[in-house]
Order: sequence, then structure tokens, then C-alpha cells
Amino acid sequence: EPEVTQTPSHQVTQMGQEVILRCVPISNHLYFYWYRQILGQKVEFLVSFYNNEISEKSEIFDDQFSVERPDGSNFTLKIRSTKLEDSAMYFCASRPDRGSNQPQHFGDGTRLSIL
Amino acid sequence: ILNVEQSPQSLHVQEGDSTNFTCSFPSSNFYALHWYRWETAKSPEALFVMTLNGDEKKKGRISATLNTKEGYSYLYIKGSQPEDSATYLCASKAAGNKLTFGGGTRVLVKP
Repeated sequence: EPEVTQTPSHQVTQMGQEVILRCVPISNHLYFYWYRQILGQKVEFLVSFYNNEISEKSEIFDDQFSVERPDGSNFTLKIRSTKLEDSAMYFCASRPDRGSNQPQHFGDGTRLSIL
Repeated sequence: ILNVEQSPQSLHVQEGDSTNFTCSFPSSNFYALHWYRWETAKSPEALFVMTLNGDEKKKGRISATLNTKEGYSYLYIKGSQPEDSATYLCASKAAGNKLTFGGGTRVLVKP
């Protein structure tokens, strides 16, 4: 069964450095998402992406965050200048079409640790 | 602000016993309720997507019901097995694309 893949599984970065988290969504999917879970907290929405542009973003997704689909297969999340509070598990998800009864398919996540 | 709550946070169940737990969500502007099963170090696995009031869905020994008027969903596990041990997440979808997650119910099935 096709799956969403994320790399790396664990990323350790110094505070203030830029980090790029990578995702390969399921190939025929059209909607892409990033979520994160800070340890001990709920999974929270960051951003959704459709038709090569952001369709929705949360208050968390400020100017230090950006997303890109550079080549038709990868979907990346960039954090420009990382802060300690960016430490979290970051999940990528994808969905085939617009219907609200379609589940989102999640990757295994990237654990981001900011030192 | 959409607030999704799950209870209990965790529960222990004896192998062979049945159990259930709750997800509550704001009933206004409701589009869909998603249930996921999440094992440690793996990706959340979609169980159900429910949209209609009174909806009931079943997958093997796991089933779910939905009440959109009062804003709750129950997930049931019949005859629990050790492989059912996981965190069960619910997430509500209102207008837009995002899912708003509850905190999860961690289920531990004891052999």
C-alpha cells in the first residue's frame, strides 16, 4: 500500500539554524499538510497546500516557516531560524481530493530537536 | 476556536474485555470526524471518517458512532487483544482543510 515517507526520522539542530524537513506524499494525492506535536501536547495543524499554494495556515505558521513542492514529488517544510520551542514531532500528511470524507494519510514523522 | 477533547486519557483493559472511549467536539460548523489509531514510532493509521449524525462504522472488532447534534463520538473495541494497544486519536474537521485533534486515549491491553 502506498505511504507517505518523511526524512530524516530525527534532526538535531542548533538554535538559530535553518532546517528543512522533507516529505514524499502519496503520488496521486492533491492536498498536503504539515502538523506537529510538541511533547505532551495535542497534534496541531500548521499548514495545508493545494495546487502549488498554501490553502490554509495556523497562527503557528509565521514568517519563519515556509513550504514548497519543488519537483512534483517532494513537499518540504523549512524553518528559517529555529527556536527551542520548535522542538517537536513534525508530521506530513496527504489526501487524494477535496471530499471531506477522505482520510489524511500520515508519515512516520520527523523528530526535531533544537539545542 | 475548535476544541476537541478525548476521555479518558488512558485506560487499561484485560485481554478479551470490551471497552469504549469518547471524543467530544463543537457541533457547530461540523464537517467530519476522523478516528486514527497510532502506535508508538509509527504513523497514525486512519480508522474511520464519519460525517452524518447517527453514523456507525465498523472495522473488524473496532466500531464507532457519531452524534453531531450533541458533539460526541464513541469508539468501541470488542474483545480487546494485545495488538489493539495504541493511542486512539480523534480529529474534527470544520470548514477548511485542517484537522483539529484531541489529546488521544492511550489503550493498553493486558494479556
